[in-house]
Amino acid sequence: ILNVEQSPQSLHVQEGDSTNFTCSFPSSNFYALHWYRWETAKSPEALFVMTLNGDEKKKGRISATLNTKEGYSYLYIKGSQPEDSATYLCAIRGSTLGRLYFGRGTQLTVWP
Amino acid sequence: GAGVSQSPSNKVTEKGKDVELRCDPISGHTALYWYRQSLGQGLEFLIYFQGNSAPDKSGLPSDRFSAERTGGSVSTLTIQRTQQEDSAVYLCASAEWIVGTTSTDTQYFGPGTRLTVL
Repeated sequence: ILNVEQSPQSLHVQEGDSTNFTCSFPSSNFYALHWYRWETAKSPEALFVMTLNGDEKKKGRISATLNTKEGYSYLYIKGSQPEDSATYLCAIRGSTLGRLYFGRGTQLTVWP
Repeated sequence: GAGVSQSPSNKVTEKGKDVELRCDPISGHTALYWYRQSLGQGLEFLIYFQGNSAPDKSGLPSDRFSAERTGGSVSTLTIQRTQQEDSAVYLCASAEWIVGTTSTDTQYFGPGTRLTVL
């Protein structure tokens, strides 16, 4: 079992603020890290899949970094918008094509 | 293109009844996963199918839970004699297995089935 921790549990920001949250995981048995965005009543949406130490990925205003040696990833949102409000999930895969181990997520609320 | 679909979207049942949840994966995806999220918990792995291999059932919480995948496509998760602690959102995901590579694969999720056991 891979224990994945996410912080903070919830976050409230004003429109236009930039924000970031953390995903921590055991650095042994690591194969890939996945970030998802999950809006209420919708499917979790894949944001990034990252495998290499030092990896940085970007999608619009959202970016992520990965440090596999120390076991953490950061997700950044620049200039938050109300439509960014969602739960952001981090998950670790320990093998080439296997189950994901999820953290409990960070619930982001962006106020207009 | 079509994504992963699940049915029903909501299911309310009485304790002790059996329920079946259905998942239609993305066409051509050989890997299929079931997860669930109970209130206040993270997403929890239940079972994983990959092609014709024996499924990984290590996440099923009890022998009341079973799943099958017919013809390598549609999957059904069955919960027998439902209990109140089975109430959760049940999510299905599928992924493409690219044989011979180490390419990372994204798991694409359906919208889930919200199961409520009264």
